[in-house]
Amino acid sequence: NAGVTQTPKFRILKIGQSMTLQCTQDMNHNYMYWYRQDPGMGLKLIYYSVGAGITDKGEVPNGYNVSRSTTEDFPLRLELAAPSQTSVYFCASSPGGDSNYGYTFGSGTRLTVV
Amino acid sequence: DQQVKQNSPSLSVQEGRISILNCDYTNSMFDYFLWYKKYPAEGPTFLISISSIKDKNEDGRFTVFLNKSAKHLSLHIVPSQPGDSAVYFCAARGLGAGSYQLTFGKGTKLSVIP
Repeated sequence: NAGVTQTPKFRILKIGQSMTLQCTQDMNHNYMYWYRQDPGMGLKLIYYSVGAGITDKGEVPNGYNVSRSTTEDFPLRLELAAPSQTSVYFCASSPGGDSNYGYTFGSGTRLTVV
Repeated sequence: DQQVKQNSPSLSVQEGRISILNCDYTNSMFDYFLWYKKYPAEGPTFLISISSIKDKNEDGRFTVFLNKSAKHLSLHIVPSQPGDSAVYFCAARGLGAGSYQLTFGKGTKLSVIP
């Protein structure tokens, strides 16, 4: 029972490079989310999806893009990496937006932009 | 502006004693409150939640209390164990842009001393 799987776990990018953070869930959850956590801060929502083909912006979407072609996958794309995007990124999923049991999170991707 | 505040960055407690983690919120439209636990290099995991129509919810050693008039909730852990040492995030659920979203506090690092 894998839950939410994120790859890679660590990555160092140079300014201006691009990359895709992968996220896959095997729980058939409709809702998926991308959060970032900066040191000493809470988690901030980047993008979310309520189902395949539907995505929407969260609190801090600038510099990122997402797609949701299948229920299982929700990749996060950084097009032109900037030092301000140095953070730990968490993908999460839930059965519905009103789940009373919260979200299932992946183990995170630690990204450093130099 | 922070809608969910955890004003204590850290807390140290002796094993066997009670741990009390506090959380304040400003948005009276939040309808559900959740606590997450996070170990280093792992994603947050759901711990316990409470509906805004209740004032207490208990699950084993964990109890969450909600004081709506004060916009305050607290997590009690009794008795505290060394394995409880982790960062605890308070989160509040609200309806935004047509979908429920979680807003997280900055977290409190709990250290349980053997």
